[in-house]
Formats: sequence, C-alpha cells, structure tokens
Amino acid sequence: DAGVIQSPRHEVTEMGQEVTLRCKPISGHDYLFWYRQTMMRGLELLIYFNNNVPIDDSGMPEDRFSAKMPNASFSTLKIQPSEPRDSAVYFCASSLALGPQSYNEQFFGPGTRLTVL
Amino acid sequence: QKEVEQNSGPLSVPEGAIASLNCTYSDRGSQSFFWYRQYSGKSPELIMFIYSNGDKEDGRFTAQLNKASQYVSLLIRDSQPSDSATYLCAVKLEHNDMRFGAGTRLTVKP
Repeated sequence: DAGVIQSPRHEVTEMGQEVTLRCKPISGHDYLFWYRQTMMRGLELLIYFNNNVPIDDSGMPEDRFSAKMPNASFSTLKIQPSEPRDSAVYFCASSLALGPQSYNEQFFGPGTRLTVL
Repeated sequence: QKEVEQNSGPLSVPEGAIASLNCTYSDRGSQSFFWYRQYSGKSPELIMFIYSNGDKEDGRFTAQLNKASQYVSLLIRDSQPSDSATYLCAVKLEHNDMRFGAGTRLTVKP
C-alpha cells in the first residue's frame, strides 16, 4: 500500500489566492483527518470525516477554510482567500474505525508545506 | 486549559541514558493514549499506545499510564542519537477524534 498520499508537497502562493490541498487516504480506512502544524500552535485538528461525512469541523479556523470528501478515496482542503498566517504544514491522516480501547492508529501523509506571501 | 499538555523541552540526554517524557490530559473520559515520534521535516509516526493503567513495554520504550492522575509518560532506555526527534503525546476522544500535545523535542548526544 502506498500509504496516505498528499499533493502538492510544497505550495507557495500570494495572499488572497485560493489554495487547494489534496489527500488520498489508505484504501479501506473509514476515517480521514486534516491537521495543521506550526511551531507556535503544534499539531491542530481541523476537521475529520467518517465514511465521507464531516463529523467535527470545530477546529476549522474560519470561513475561509472548507473541506470536502466527495468519495472514500479523495478529500480536499481549500483556503480562500489565503493569508500569510495560514502558512503551516498541513497533514492528512486516515484510520480504521475500531472500538474505544483499540489500536486504531492514525497514518499520516507526508504533509503539504504551505507558504503564503 | 489545553486538552493535552507536554513540556516543550528541549530535553537533552547523553547516549545510553534514560529519556523521560511526560504528558497530562484534561478529559477524564479519555480511554486511549498514544505516543508519536516526528523527525524534523517528516510526518508523525506511532511508536506506542496504551489504554490500561500501569506500564507497557516494547523494546527500549515503556509507556506508563495513570488515569487517576491523568498522566501518561514515555521512557526511552539506552537512548540513541537516532531517537532525537519530537515526541507527541495524543489522547483519543470519542468518535476516533484525537488531540495532540505540542510535543517535546528530544536530543540524544553521542
């Protein structure tokens, strides 16, 4: 299995532009997570999906951020318009759906390093 | 109060020593606890998980959980330079939701 795939790996854009990050989870995984990591705030959960349905988007910073999962093998995170403070590494992760005391490891993609000038 | 708190470090230990990493969490209903390792410029990878009070050992790594104190720790015995990384404590909430600490940066000096 190729693992979680993210694209692009690096993105440099100017303030005000639209940015779209893409993720392909591991086949068969029921959950997909979007995280943002910065030095100041660490790893923050933005939103997660179960069977393509958004479960909790309370971590999405503001209306400029939106995420979709049109099918089990693809998700996007969009920022419109982008701002310099959005600069961070964005990780996508996926996991199986198991019980509360289970070893449901989250597998992380390589991340997208976003720089907004 | 943050849901998961860790000492940010950096923590520096000599090669061969024991490195001790600590984590506290706020949600008493949390049932599963994880330690992820993240090398610089890489994505986090799971190294240990624990859900019962007490110790769990895996090679040079030991995870310790005390639910009454809401405390999780990771011990790394015989630390190696290759263990130098940031260690993230994570707590699983309901619905597979995970909350991460800010991470502790560990440096093992040869």
